Amino acid sequence: IAGITQAPTSQILAAGRRMTLRCTQDMRHNAMYWYRQDLGLGLRLIHYSNTAGTTGKGEVPDGYSVSRANTDDFPLTLASAVPSQTSVYFCASSVRGDDTEAFFGQGTRLTVV
Amino acid sequence: GQNIDQPTEMTATEGAIVQINCTYQTSGFNGLFWYQQHAGEAPTFLSYNVLDGLEEKGRFSSFLSRSKGYSYLLLKELQMKDSASYLCAVKDSNYQLIWGAGTKLIIKP
Repeated sequence: IAGITQAPTSQILAAGRRMTLRCTQDMRHNAMYWYRQDLGLGLRLIHYSNTAGTTGKGEVPDGYSVSRANTDDFPLTLASAVPSQTSVYFCASSVRGDDTEAFFGQGTRLTVV
Repeated sequence: GQNIDQPTEMTATEGAIVQINCTYQTSGFNGLFWYQQHAGEAPTFLSYNVLDGLEEKGRFSSFLSRSKGYSYLLLKELQMKDSASYLCAVKDSNYQLIWGAGTKLIIKP
């Protein structure tokens, strides 16, 4: 089934550890996004990529990095996790950066202790 | 700053109609979106408005007034499966989505 796959589904991580959240889509979408969702807050954009080889910073990029080596994959790395990065992380994609509809992965629930 | 406001929670009865409001203040406007998110799941696209007026899609309709910075999502013939959070989002001048915190809709039999 075509769509976006995120891994892992959930993770408990010790503070200070490095962690990469994986995101793969098979819809050949050009644009991809990473959001975090926290209780009582709207989805907040961390980083985005409008096409393979380019990335940009969103609203809350500090402590996170991304790469877009090819169209399908858009990993998100936490270099040194802190408890405030405890959240649900969603990867999403759209045909273009200015497109109407974004498709979301199932999310990664990350707890930093 | 940019801001999207929607009620935190609403309750409605199965079979009834409910209207979820959304007001926004953003730097530029390139469309307003409504997404549905069931607990523990990913958001899924419901509707898109870029021009003023009402867009109808089955039991769901979405309205936009750009001059008032206002939208609503209307859900008719409510079903128990409509219990979910409804997220309002606006694309700003940079085509980035600005999201509201969501409205949790509780449907009672």
